[in-house]
Amino acid sequence: QSALTQPASVSGSPGQSITISCIGTSNDIGAFNFVSWFQQHPGKAPKLIIYDVTNRPLGVSNRFSGSKSGNTASLTISGLQAEDDSYYFCTSYTVAYTHVFGGGTKLTVL
Amino acid sequence: EVQLVESGGGLVQPGSSLRLSCAASGFTFIDYAMHWVRQAPGKGLEWVSGISWRSDIIVYADSLKGRVTISRDNAKNSLYLQIDSLRAEDTASYFCIKAGGGHTRYFFDSWGHGTLVTVSS
Repeated sequence: QSALTQPASVSGSPGQSITISCIGTSNDIGAFNFVSWFQQHPGKAPKLIIYDVTNRPLGVSNRFSGSKSGNTASLTISGLQAEDDSYYFCTSYTVAYTHVFGGGTKLTVL
Repeated sequence: EVQLVESGGGLVQPGSSLRLSCAASGFTFIDYAMHWVRQAPGKGLEWVSGISWRSDIIVYADSLKGRVTISRDNAKNSLYLQIDSLRAEDTASYFCIKAGGGHTRYFFDSWGHGTLVTVSS
């Protein structure tokens, strides 16, 4: 169960848009539309922001959006705000009935 | 409001066993799959195990298979994780997670705050 691949860090200025990629394989991201994204502030539990590739839970800003192409999922945050400065993780269900996480990406809002 | 409260963590000796518990409230526990995920200090998240609403689907991460046992008591709204032969690399915060549906394939909907397990002599 290899981890999904995310960039270690991304950055952007307030108001800009950024995209975080999550690269998997045909055994996880490519196999199902069961990709989720989480935001985690230091010392806090992760918060679900995207599920099933494109869906946002109630209460999550529409500035967050998800997509998928082949074995790669992406999280886009538009209109960056200071409060978006955080860690972001992706996860996917796999053909082995397990779940696998990405290594996490630190987003810095400049 | 969904509440997941983990307990049972602490400082333990290498080679010992530990049973983590998760008390769930604020939702109909029997309707949802549950999972355990861990996070070592300063590291990323690692999925550990999942159990379906009726306990008919139980899955484990390969890295822990054979040393962990997940279970649930729907009458007590509780989830458990037994970890045997603990190693230093098991040191992590262990999170209890509610899934978005009864099957283990559903997304991780709500998280507890975690319980810290430290394995050291």
